[in-house]
Formats: sequence, structure tokens, C-alpha cells
Amino acid sequence: DTAVSQTPKYLVTQMGNDKSIKCEQNLGHDTMYWYKQDSKKFLKIMFSYNNKELIINETVPNRFSPKSPDKAHLNLHINSLELGDSAVYFCASSQGRERTTEAFFGQGTRLTVV
Amino acid sequence: GDSVTQMEGPVTLSEEAFLTINCTYTATGYPSLFWYVQYPGEGLQLLLKATKADDKGSNKGFEATYRKETTSFHLEKGSVQVSDSAVYFCALTSGGSNYKLTFGKGTLLTVNP
Repeated sequence: DTAVSQTPKYLVTQMGNDKSIKCEQNLGHDTMYWYKQDSKKFLKIMFSYNNKELIINETVPNRFSPKSPDKAHLNLHINSLELGDSAVYFCASSQGRERTTEAFFGQGTRLTVV
Repeated sequence: GDSVTQMEGPVTLSEEAFLTINCTYTATGYPSLFWYVQYPGEGLQLLLKATKADDKGSNKGFEATYRKETTSFHLEKGSVQVSDSAVYFCALTSGGSNYKLTFGKGTLLTVNP
């Protein structure tokens, strides 16, 4: 039973389109995240939600809008897709935000904008 | 702010060779330190962690010791296997209301038979 699951795994779309990536965790965690991994494998946090409340928004363009309908779900909607949005997007979750806390990651969504 | 510097790859080794991947960090608070591994086509998995100075994290034959005096958390394995081929990420978090993992740039390890 997958702990953090993302759909879709692959997403190919044209510039200017709007797309969504869904994430669900069944670990009972209260905090969820979106990370972006670029072509050089560098990982950077985009958003963090705790109990459905936005905690971190790391200078991400307004075209990216996360939505957390409940603690177990954190979706990412992207408007007006650009070539530079091509990347792998990882959802993650953790229980609490203590410094000893580890995060659990999904398998990633590879987004390709053409 | 927090940052992690790890050795640039790629690293190519023969099976049963000794592995070291260097990682140093800068943190504003007292961080916990992590090594995550990403196998081809998969997400990140926690490999090991250490939460205070002089702690040693270990898992699957990998070890890393939290060295506060040198701000380092180097990953080692005595005898690598082909199945260890992956990208390895050093990361830290200082916790608190702005909890987030800050990652190094990753090191690609390829182990040849």
C-alpha cells in the first residue's frame, strides 16, 4: 500500500495549458510538501502545508497554486505552463515539524512542457 | 540561511570498492542531518539520519557520523554493490515553523560489476 502517491506519473503537455498533479498520503501525517527537481537533479521546496494551512511558499510564480482539501491531500495546479516548468515534481509528507522529523516522498511526476 | 554542499559526481566504482561521499553544511539552528537515496525512476527514500552531534546513522551497510566541529556528515560504505547505483542526497532541517528539508545537489553513484 503506497504511503505517498502522486498522479499522474508522467505528464506531457503544450505550452499555455493548465494542468494538475494530485497527491495523497495514507500515513496520517499532518504536513505535506511539494518539491521541484530540475534537470540537474537539484531539489527545492515549493510549498508546505500543515493541517491544510499554507506554511511555506518559496518564491514560486503565481501560476502555481497548491490546494489542500484535507490533511491527506495536497494537489498542485499549474496555469499557463511554460517550457521552464518541465521538471520532476515530488510530493512529500511528515508528521509534525520537529527538526528530527523525516519526510516521506512520492514517486514523482515528470512534467514535460513542449 | 541553511545550505548543504556535497561532492560533485558522478562517482564510478567497481563492486566491493569503498565509498565516501562528502557532505558539509551551514545551518542557522541545530539541524538534523539526513541522507536520502533516489534509485532510477523512483522517488526519494530515507537512507539514514542523525539528530545530534556525534550520532552515527546507519542502514544497509551505509554509515554517516554527525560531526558538529567540522559541520560534516559524510556517507560511507565499506563494500558497494551494483544495486547501490543511485543518486544520493545529503539534506538537513532545522525544524520549527518553517520546517523544510534543504538538499545538496546530489551525487550520482554508478557501481560496475
